Amino acid sequence: ELKVEQNPLFLSMQEGKNYTIYCNYSTTSDRLYWYRQDPGKSLESLFVLLSNGAVKQEGRLMASLDTKARLSTLHITAAVHDLSATYFCAILTGNQFYFGTGTSLTVIP
Amino acid sequence: DAMVIQNPRYQVTQFGKPVTLSCSQTLNHNVMYWYQQKSSQAPKLLFHYYDKDFNNEADTPDNFQSRRPNTSFCFLDIRSPGLGDAAMYLCATSRDPGGYTDTQYFGPGTRLTVL
Repeated sequence: ELKVEQNPLFLSMQEGKNYTIYCNYSTTSDRLYWYRQDPGKSLESLFVLLSNGAVKQEGRLMASLDTKARLSTLHITAAVHDLSATYFCAILTGNQFYFGTGTSLTVIP
Repeated sequence: DAMVIQNPRYQVTQFGKPVTLSCSQTLNHNVMYWYQQKSSQAPKLLFHYYDKDFNNEADTPDNFQSRRPNTSFCFLDIRSPGLGDAAMYLCATSRDPGGYTDTQYFGPGTRLTVL
């Protein structure tokens, strides 16, 4: 059974702190996607990681991919309140996207 | 500029009364997807079209049907909505899942309430 698991499911962190969200997947995939979803809203694409060792950064978010370990990380640097949202990773295999369980992030002042 | 448009944004229907949700795209993408997302859960793929080829997920209930009359439009028909079908329905597109930099572009969603 194909699984895409995120850890943690819920994250509460203080402004200014750093933290990492993990995404593990159970099947071979050479591309990994990160999305952001605000409450009651749709999904917004953040990163597309296309190869082993890929690293991408946008503002306070940095994503990386290790295809051998089947692991992607989303690192948050110096969190701010605006980053509060749910973050999903997804893999592409067999022309289908499979989403992770989601991580609900709350940044506390 | 809106790229993936869903109508309506909010839909209220009665138990058992058929409902149709609409999605249109201005991106000229080959693939269109329908997802169901319930509260605090990940989106669940219902089906997708690769051009005119329809691909149904094995666990998508027969109650859910889809039509794609042309590249730009895709419809989700729920023939007899039950209370358990209340959810956010997300439409997404991608140029080509095998494309090098492809990602999905999501519409704003339709929130379905079943009374």
